[in-house]
Amino acid sequence: AQSVSQHNHHVILSEAASLELGCNYSYGGTVNLFWYVQYPGQHLQLLLKYFSGDPLVKGIKGFEAEFIKSKFSFNLRKPSVQWSDTAEYFCAVNARYGGATNKLIFGTGTLLAVQP
Amino acid sequence: DTAVSQTPKYLVTQMGNDKSIKCEQNLGHDTMYWYKQDSKKFLKIMFSYNNKELIINETVPNRFSPKSPDKAHLNLHINSLELGDSAVYFCASRPGASGGYNEQFFGPGTRLTVL
Repeated sequence: AQSVSQHNHHVILSEAASLELGCNYSYGGTVNLFWYVQYPGQHLQLLLKYFSGDPLVKGIKGFEAEFIKSKFSFNLRKPSVQWSDTAEYFCAVNARYGGATNKLIFGTGTLLAVQP
Repeated sequence: DTAVSQTPKYLVTQMGNDKSIKCEQNLGHDTMYWYKQDSKKFLKIMFSYNNKELIINETVPNRFSPKSPDKAHLNLHINSLELGDSAVYFCASRPGASGGYNEQFFGPGTRLTVL
């Protein structure tokens, strides 16, 4: 079965520190990969996505992620975090379901707390 | 001009009651979803509809019944509520069912608390 693993459950950083959140997936077919962010009390918003092409994708708010096919990974990075980046981050893979239909499978999330 | 909206935002009810959560999207999307986010923030898909037709039905108790009166609406009715149903329920939509080239857009969530 397809699965997504996020190894860091809780990350605490100081402002201006660099961020890398790990994401690994298990799925043998073609994948589309996403990072969503959930700010406190809010709904999920898309940070960035990978469908094909350049494995280094850039998203909103200075985030980027690199798809490494050989490692089944899609790690999220930001060179310098801000207090406003405090949120829960979810990695997700778009997997096929019974044919053409697709569904998102989410990782367990990483709670990032940025200290001012 | 909210893209995906849900009502109510908060729902507190007693065990054994029946309740409904409504979802509407004004994006013209064909596919809509219901997800459950538990207390540990784990998100899991429950159902998906494409053009009013059920296409994904995960292992969900049959006390949960989705209904799609048209492709812009996907409601979730829950019978005989149990304590374990307490969670945040998110509705989402995307343009099509097949292919992976579209992201899902999420609603603000409905926090259900069963006492």
